[in-house]
Amino acid sequence: GQNIDQPTEMTATEGAIVQINCTYQTSGFNGLFWYQQHAGEAPTFLSYNVLDGLEEKGRFSSFLSRSKGYSYLLLKELQMKDSASYLCAVRSPLGNTPLVFGKGTRLSVIA
Amino acid sequence: DGGITQSPKYLFRKEGQNVTLSCEQNLNHDAMYWYRQDPGQGLRLIYYSQIVNDFQKGDIAEGYSVSREKKESFPLTVTSAQKNPTAFYLCASSPGRTYHGYTFGSGTRLTVV
Repeated sequence: GQNIDQPTEMTATEGAIVQINCTYQTSGFNGLFWYQQHAGEAPTFLSYNVLDGLEEKGRFSSFLSRSKGYSYLLLKELQMKDSASYLCAVRSPLGNTPLVFGKGTRLSVIA
Repeated sequence: DGGITQSPKYLFRKEGQNVTLSCEQNLNHDAMYWYRQDPGQGLRLIYYSQIVNDFQKGDIAEGYSVSREKKESFPLTVTSAQKNPTAFYLCASSPGRTYHGYTFGSGTRLTVV
């Protein structure tokens, strides 16, 4: 079966750091994606982790532990424009089989 | 520029009518996908196609139909059998190696009245 869990909502202050967690239990694993989605818009790619460890890309970092079935997205120096939903998605090892998405975490950045 | 286009952005239909959502890509991607998104829900898979003239049901295929007659196009028909069709529909595509996941279209918001 496939199960991906994320917190439903989070609130953080402008300029702060926030960590959004994702845990997964899937039949097979070949990578984990993080997407950002502003309300009413399409998701946009943020990061991809396939090996354990931390991937850093500007203000955003993503971490993966395959043995724990766990990932997090770290957002630093939060800006108001970071208010969005953040989707965790897991890739199967089998070719072009679809990504499995979590329900997303809605982040509100407040002044 | 290459991309994936969904049309229309907003669509209103009366209950009981079939409606077709368009999805076109010029990225030369092999695979295409349709997802549905409801408030507070993640993306739920409706149908996907890995190659022309072939497609598979996703988790919530009931009440929907698709075709893949051309590599570039993957239209979704929402039939009158779909009990609750009002939602945000997202189309996506990916190449053979999905290291960067999907390219998404901008979505179609369907409202059935």
